[in-house]
Amino acid sequence: DGGITQSPKYLFRKEGQNVTLSCEQNLNHDAMYWYRQDPGQGLRLIYYSQIVNDFQKGDIAEGYSVSREKKESFPLTVTSAQKNPTAFYLCASSLAPTGAYTGELFFGEGSRLTVL
Amino acid sequence: AQKITQTQPGMFVQEKEAVTLDCTYDTSDPSYGLFWYKQPSSGEMIFLIYQGSYDQQNATEGRYSLNFQKARKSANLVISASQLGDSAMYFCAMREGSPLNAGNNRKLIWGLGTSLAVNP
Repeated sequence: DGGITQSPKYLFRKEGQNVTLSCEQNLNHDAMYWYRQDPGQGLRLIYYSQIVNDFQKGDIAEGYSVSREKKESFPLTVTSAQKNPTAFYLCASSLAPTGAYTGELFFGEGSRLTVL
Repeated sequence: AQKITQTQPGMFVQEKEAVTLDCTYDTSDPSYGLFWYKQPSSGEMIFLIYQGSYDQQNATEGRYSLNFQKARKSANLVISASQLGDSAMYFCAMREGSPLNAGNNRKLIWGLGTSLAVNP
């Protein structure tokens, strides 16, 4: 089955540690995204990538880093510089715009990060 | 000002009845798209339905339909014949600009969501 796989589902981190969240897709999508979701808030974009070896900051990129070395993979590193990293993180992908494209996103099941 | 407003933090509906989840939006761009996503307790966001600003007819997808009132800037989601599995958070989102501009697709604006509980 095609889809997006995020791991780990739950992650605990001590303050001062970097952690990396994995996102893999086998949908052959060009674009990939990382979102952060906090209780009572809408999704906020952290980083996105339209093609391999290229990525752009979203609205809340400070304290995060990404890489896009392969089309299928878009890992997110939450660094110690992120002041409030406890949140639910969602990875998504989308097709490149063509024809009747609507722009819908396909999401993984998310990773819940808790800083102790 | 909020660009996407979902005024119902929580809704209850009886199984097999229809329910309407409200979404109003604010944009001056003539080209835009409106999305509804479902987020069950598992966490995954599931795309439900899409309405483009130039679409002449309201979008429908199975039990989901979108009541698009352009002049009122509202895009309410209607779920017919509710099922227990419909219990989830529902998010409305908007993309401003053409979907064929890849840069526009990263600029989705999300509402705060509505929690729907379906009672047996």
